[in-house]
Amino acid sequence: QTVVTQEPSFSVSPGGTVTLTCGLSSGSVSISYYPSWYQQTPGQAPRTLIYSTKTRSSGVPDRFSGSILGNKAALTITGAQAEDESDYYCIVYMGSGIWVFGGGTKLTVL
Amino acid sequence: QVHLVQSGAEVKKPGSSVKVSCRASGGTFISYAISWVRQAPGQGLEWMGGMIPIFGTTNYAQKFQGRVTITADESTSTAYMELSSLNSEDTAVYYCARAPFSSNAFDIWGQGTKVTVSS
Repeated sequence: QTVVTQEPSFSVSPGGTVTLTCGLSSGSVSISYYPSWYQQTPGQAPRTLIYSTKTRSSGVPDRFSGSILGNKAALTITGAQAEDESDYYCIVYMGSGIWVFGGGTKLTVL
Repeated sequence: QVHLVQSGAEVKKPGSSVKVSCRASGGTFISYAISWVRQAPGQGLEWMGGMIPIFGTTNYAQKFQGRVTITADESTSTAYMELSSLNSEDTAVYYCARAPFSSNAFDIWGQGTKVTVSS
């Protein structure tokens, strides 16, 4: 069973830069897994930030960027703002209509 | 603009089943993959399974195999998720989400349906 790993929590200062990562329990995350990133605030449905590794969804500020760093997918927030305090989820596509979610990272901006 | 509109909150008894609907308002999902994702209180998102209506194929996460059934009615652009043998651990918000074939990522989410399992 494939497990997608994310940091449980992270903190960043306002205006700072933070990189959240998304790995696999066995193997590397590559573009062929179509890694995507979602932001969720309490009581709300997830919001799509990044898909296909690095493509920003419509309306997403350019301070959010996606990439592959080493053997993991990464979400970088450059110039973090207070409203970026949320839970962030990585999802990888395993093929054949199957997805696996990471456990999420709780980001604190303080 | 397509919206995914889900059915309302449900309260169910342990051992019973629940069926949640997800209607594509303003469009169709025939050329997309539709998945169901749940989130238990205070927990993360969990992919349950999905289907690709145009191919008529379904896939389920191993954890839910045998307990979840995902179907779609193309004539009404509505997808359904039925979960059986409910227990308290199934208390969660259930979301439907659409994934274009081009990105294999979820671009539109339903508003969520709260299912409470309680005796």
